[in-house]
This record gives sequence, C-alpha cells and structure tokens, in this order.
Amino acid sequence: KNQVEQSPQSLIILEGKNCTLQCNYTVSPFSNLRWYKQDTGRGPVSLTIMTFSENTKSNGRYTATLDADTKQSSLHITASQLSDSASYICVVSAGNRDDKIIFGKGTRLHILP
Amino acid sequence: ETGVTQTPRHLVMGMTNKKSLKCEQHLGHNAMYWYKQSAKKPLELMFVYNFKEQTENNSVPSRFSPECPNSSHLFLHLHTLQPEDSALYLCASGRTGSSNQPQHFGDGTRLSIL
Repeated sequence: KNQVEQSPQSLIILEGKNCTLQCNYTVSPFSNLRWYKQDTGRGPVSLTIMTFSENTKSNGRYTATLDADTKQSSLHITASQLSDSASYICVVSAGNRDDKIIFGKGTRLHILP
Repeated sequence: ETGVTQTPRHLVMGMTNKKSLKCEQHLGHNAMYWYKQSAKKPLELMFVYNFKEQTENNSVPSRFSPECPNSSHLFLHLHTLQPEDSALYLCASGRTGSSNQPQHFGDGTRLSIL
C-alpha cells in the first residue's frame, strides 16, 4: 500500500534555531518527492522537488534530502524565522507517468520568538 | 499571487442549499484538480481533469459535481451536503506529462455546513 508518513506531527522551536522534519514513504514505483509549505489559511506552496537520482535540493534556508534506498526524506530548516511557522507537507508521486500522488499528513511547525 | 484563484474564500451553507466553488488558473496548465483538506488528515484528491476531460473521480459522493468548461476554469457544484463535508477545498493545476513540475495550489475555499 502506498503510504507517506511524516514525523513529528508537530514541533515547537525558538526563533533562530535549526530543525529537521522527516518523511518516510512506501511508494512504488517512485517518481518524485516534493515538500510543500502551507501557511494558515493559504494553499500549499512548493519548496523542493526531487527525483530518485537527486540526494539534496536547497531553496534558501530550506534543504531537502532524499535517500531512495531507505525511502526516507528530510527537510532541514536553518536559522528559523517566525514566518517559518506553517505546516510542511511531504508528497510522493508514483507511477511511470506521475499519475499517483500520495500526501503525508504534514508536520505543524511553530516558531517562538 | 499563486496563479490559481479560488472563490469564494469562505462559504457557509445549510444542508439543503446549492452553491458552487470556482477556480481559475492562468499558468497555461492543462490539468486541474480538486482536493479536500480536513483537519489532521492528508489532502484527499477528489477529481482530476486533463484537457477538460475528467480522468479521475476518487469515489466522491454525487452531492459533489465538478465541471470543467475549459482548461483554465474549474467548478465544484455542491448540493445537499452533510456536516462532515465541512473542510478546506483546494484547487490545483499542473502540466500532465511533466512529472517534475509541482502542482500549483489556490488558497482554497473554507466550507462550513450548518
């Protein structure tokens, strides 16, 4: 069964600190993995997208890693800011034509001043 | 500005009402999607349209009726909804056949059923 599991469910850190969010998946055949940021009251916005041949992808203070062998991905946030408070959703696409999209439940991140 | 616009942003309706949600995109994408987002649950794909043709219906109850008159516009017609249908309804667009392209989401319609 295709599944995407994210941890932790929620996380609270102080402004300026770093944090890492986890995503484990059991999806076959794997096509790509995306991380989205969803601010409260807004739609998800794409942060990174990686295929099986890519190990890491950065977008400013956001760095995503992918281990296709262990089927794990992480999203590392450096020097967190108050605006990083949001839900972060891991999405895995399966199928030769990217025709199956499986969403994780997301990690709710709170940045405290 | 995400390129995908949804209206209304908020909607409160009774179970016997009929209303419609609207989505439009000006990104030149050929695929459009409706998703349901409920608290503490993953996004649920409802419908997929490619080049105006419905290619996926994820066992959605008939009280939800989609319409795609062209590649830029997508509607979700609602009638006799249930309280459990209260959720955030998100529209997204993308390019089929381009698996590395992310989907672009609108900001959603927050629907409350009384």
